[in-house]
Amino acid sequence: GAGVSQSPSNKVTEKGKDVELRCDPISGHTALYWYRQSLGQGLEFLIYFQGNSAPDKSGLPSDRFSAERTGGSVSTLTIQRTQQEDSAVYLCASSPQGLALAKNIQYFGAGTRLSVL
Amino acid sequence: SQKIEQNSEALNIQEGKTATLTCNYTNYSPAYLQWYRQDPGRGPVFLLLIRENEKEKRKERLKVTFDTTLKQSLFHITASQPADSATYLCAVDNSGYALNFGKGTSLLVTP
Repeated sequence: GAGVSQSPSNKVTEKGKDVELRCDPISGHTALYWYRQSLGQGLEFLIYFQGNSAPDKSGLPSDRFSAERTGGSVSTLTIQRTQQEDSAVYLCASSPQGLALAKNIQYFGAGTRLSVL
Repeated sequence: SQKIEQNSEALNIQEGKTATLTCNYTNYSPAYLQWYRQDPGRGPVFLLLIRENEKEKRKERLKVTFDTTLKQSLFHITASQPADSATYLCAVDNSGYALNFGKGTSLLVTP
C-alpha cells in the first residue's frame, strides 16, 4: 500500500474487555514497530518485529499485552482485560530494514486512539 | 539512566523568523539522530537524519546540527511559515534498530 495503515482509527471499550489493534505496514518493509503515545507524553516503545519474529519485546508494559506478525506483513497488538491506564494512541511504524547498519527511518501510521471507559 | 530532553514549553515565533529547537541526550552514544514532525491526530513523519560523523545536514529550509561532545542536536527552520506549526520530535538511535523519542517541542508560527 501507499503507507502504513492502522485499524480501527478509534476504539472505545469497557474496562476488562480485550481489544485487537491492526497494523498493515508498507509492502516490502521487513521491520515493524509498535509504540504507545499517552497525552502529553513521548512515544513509548512497545515491541519490534524483524520479519515474523520479535527480537525485542522489552517495552510491553505487562503480560496483558501481546503482539504477533504473520507472513512478514500484518501485525496485531492485543490487549487483554483492558484497564483505564491503557487509554492512549497506539502507533505502528515500519522500516525497510531494522539492522544496525541501516538508517532505520520509520514510517508511521495515523494510530489507533484507544479509550477504556 | 538514558534521557532525551526537548523543550517542553511551546515555541512561538513570527512568520519569516528562524525557529531553533533543541534536543539533548544523556547516556547514549548514537550512531545517528533523526527529527520527525507530528501534526495533531497524525503519526510522526520523518524529516532528517544526521550521522555521528556529520556536523550539519540541510534540506530546503531545514538544518540539523549534531554535536556528540555536547550530546546535543539543534533543529532550525529558516523563513518559518504558519504551515510549519507542529510538534517536532527528536529520535536517538538505540541498539541499532530501535529509536528512542523525546517528548517533542510544539512550534507555533504566527502570521
